[in-house]
Amino acid sequence: DAKTTQPTSMDCAEGRAANLPCNHSTISGNEYVYWYRQIHSQGPQYIIHGLKNNETNEMASLIITEDRKSSTLILPHATLRDTAVYYCIVRSLRGGGADGLTFGKGTHLIIQP
Amino acid sequence: GAVVSQHPSRVICKSGTSVKIECRSLDFQATTMFWYRQFPKQSLMLMATSNEGSKATYEQGVEKDKFLINHASLTLSTLTVTSAHPEDSSFYICSARDLAHSYNEQFFGPGTRLTVL
Repeated sequence: DAKTTQPTSMDCAEGRAANLPCNHSTISGNEYVYWYRQIHSQGPQYIIHGLKNNETNEMASLIITEDRKSSTLILPHATLRDTAVYYCIVRSLRGGGADGLTFGKGTHLIIQP
Repeated sequence: GAVVSQHPSRVICKSGTSVKIECRSLDFQATTMFWYRQFPKQSLMLMATSNEGSKATYEQGVEKDKFLINHASLTLSTLTVTSAHPEDSSFYICSARDLAHSYNEQFFGPGTRLTVL
């Protein structure tokens, strides 16, 4: 699976959009971009994933650049409860996605009141 | 849907004892479950892949005789830390793969904090 690079930490004001970048310049054509987050002392939570098109769900939006070398997770109206470590993971679904996930260091997003 | 539970949520034990951690998929069947470990201020590290009805696959550097995994049913996997020592103190997290979801995203349990005295 391709390696990802994320900023170590970011601050965002409550109520504003939080934009979390992720670089994955070595991504291959069959690899998806997944985002998870981990609130302190809890298990990770799936947020969203995409291949090449932008995606939106009830939690967030995922914008993937045309060359697929980077992506941005957008939390449209951040709340204090969105304070967490956000992990960008690139993975292939060969074998039906039967592999475990490789977590990097992630971005510690702190929402400021 | 896609809820995963773990029991216990935290456990404190004496060095040399064994501890069993349960991971259950509550509303779906999981042919594959995964076990991760997270040390303080570090990221999650995959320990092993647990397949129902077959032997677990361990990641490099994880001792299979120390971390016994059993996946006897489609909704339950257990991790037993045998002869635990203080260096085994960590946050243990399981995840389960729900085949009903289109891209097989994994759903995580709340974690078990193990402290070995």
